Amino acid sequence: AQRVTQPEKLLSVFKGAPVELKCNYSYSGSPELFWYVQYSRQRLQLLLRHISRESIKGFTADLNKGETSFHLKKPFAQEEDSAMYYCALSSGSARQLTFGSGTQLTVLP
Amino acid sequence: DAGVIQSPRHEVTEMGQEVTLRCKPISGHNSLFWYRQTMMRGLELLIYFNNNVPIDDSGMPEDRFSAKMPNASFSTLKIQPSEPRDSAVYFCASSLRGRVAEAFFGQGTRLTVV
Repeated sequence: AQRVTQPEKLLSVFKGAPVELKCNYSYSGSPELFWYVQYSRQRLQLLLRHISRESIKGFTADLNKGETSFHLKKPFAQEEDSAMYYCALSSGSARQLTFGSGTQLTVLP
Repeated sequence: DAGVIQSPRHEVTEMGQEVTLRCKPISGHNSLFWYRQTMMRGLELLIYFNNNVPIDDSGMPEDRFSAKMPNASFSTLKIQPSEPRDSAVYFCASSLRGRVAEAFFGQGTRLTVV
């Protein structure tokens, strides 16, 4: 069975400070990892996926298979980054997404 | 495409009443998911369909919950009878099978059972 763990329910940082949202997973096969973001009163939307190795809105995430982690990072947080962030794993042929419990990021002025 | 469309956006009902949530997936998508979001448990997968067929409903909390997908463009999630602990935001999402599973979410239905 697969599992996604986000150990921090709440995370606050000051504007301009680096931010890292932690995500660990357990899965026996080769997972596909994603980060989703939900801004206040908006729908959940895909932020980035590990296979793209892309940077979106200054965020990056590297899949570390040795540590089974997929932490989301941004060197300089902005107030508009305040949102709920979910790490998600897609596995096997079922093509379903397993979400972590989410981390509420607040960027303080 | 307007994306995944859910209705209603908000629903307030009394305990014991039947509640029906509706979802229209993105045209051409053949996988549909129902999720429930609560403060305590985050996002939980309730059920998902491939080509209108339910594949995994192990996340459905109990028999009071049922979901149908009569055709490729419509799905319902029904709770009967509803209870206060069912209060949550219910999201519908759709995606293309056979590709990387990037699900597109609807705006959700906020259900309050009093």
